[in-house]
Amino acid sequence: QVQVVDSGGGLVKPGGSLRLSCAASGFTFSDYYMNWIRQTPGKGLEWISYITGSGSTIYYTDSVRGRFTISRDNAKNSVYLQMSNLRVEDTAVYYCARSSPAVWAFDYWGQGALVTVSA
Amino acid sequence: DIQMTQSPSSLSASVGDRVTITCQASQDIRNFLNWYQQKPGEAPKLLIYHASTLETGVPARFRGSGSGTDFTFTITGLQPEDTATYYCQQYENVPLTFGPGTKVEIK
Repeated sequence: QVQVVDSGGGLVKPGGSLRLSCAASGFTFSDYYMNWIRQTPGKGLEWISYITGSGSTIYYTDSVRGRFTISRDNAKNSVYLQMSNLRVEDTAVYYCARSSPAVWAFDYWGQGALVTVSA
Repeated sequence: DIQMTQSPSSLSASVGDRVTITCQASQDIRNFLNWYQQKPGEAPKLLIYHASTLETGVPARFRGSGSGTDFTFTITGLQPEDTATYYCQQYENVPLTFGPGTKVEIK
C-alpha cells in the first residue's frame, strides 16, 4: 500500500536552517511528482514547492524561493526540503504529498511535520 | 496568482441533510479543480479531482460539479463522520492554490 512519511520538524531560531525528509513506499516513486504543502491557522493551505519524477523540473512559490531547496533521491524513494534563513512566518505544519503528472491532485499525504520558528 | 474563494466559511447541518459548498476562482480554470476533506489532526484527503471525478474509495454521497470559475461540492445525506473542513484547490496555473476552507459541523 502507498505510504508517505514526513520527518524532520522541530524548533529553530529565526535565520536558522532545517531539513525535512519524506519517505515513500508502495508505488513507483520516479513516476510521480512530489510536493511540499504547508498549513498555518492564519494562511490555511499553501503549496510551496514541487519536483518532477526525474527531478528535472522544480518550482517554488515566491514566499520561499531563494531560501528553500527541494530535492529527491529516487534510489531511496525520498524527497527533501532544505529550509534556510527561516522566518517566524514559516512556522507551519509541512506536508509532503504525491501527485501524478496527469492530474495535479494530491492523492497521498504524509502525516505532517511541525516546524516552529521562534527566538 | 489565481485566488480561490469558498462559501460559506462554516455551516451546521443535521444528519441526512444535503450540504452544498461553493468555490469560485478568480479566473477561468476550466475543470482543473480538486476537493479535499480534512479532519482535525489529520492530513487532507483527496475526495474529488478534475472537478467531478470521485477518487477511488470515496463514498458516492460526495459529488463535485462546475467548470470555468464556479464550482459546487455537495454531500447528499450528511453523515456524522463527514464533520471536517473541506477545501477546493486549482491546478490550472502555478502556483497551485487552495480555497480558505469550509467547516462542516453536525447539529
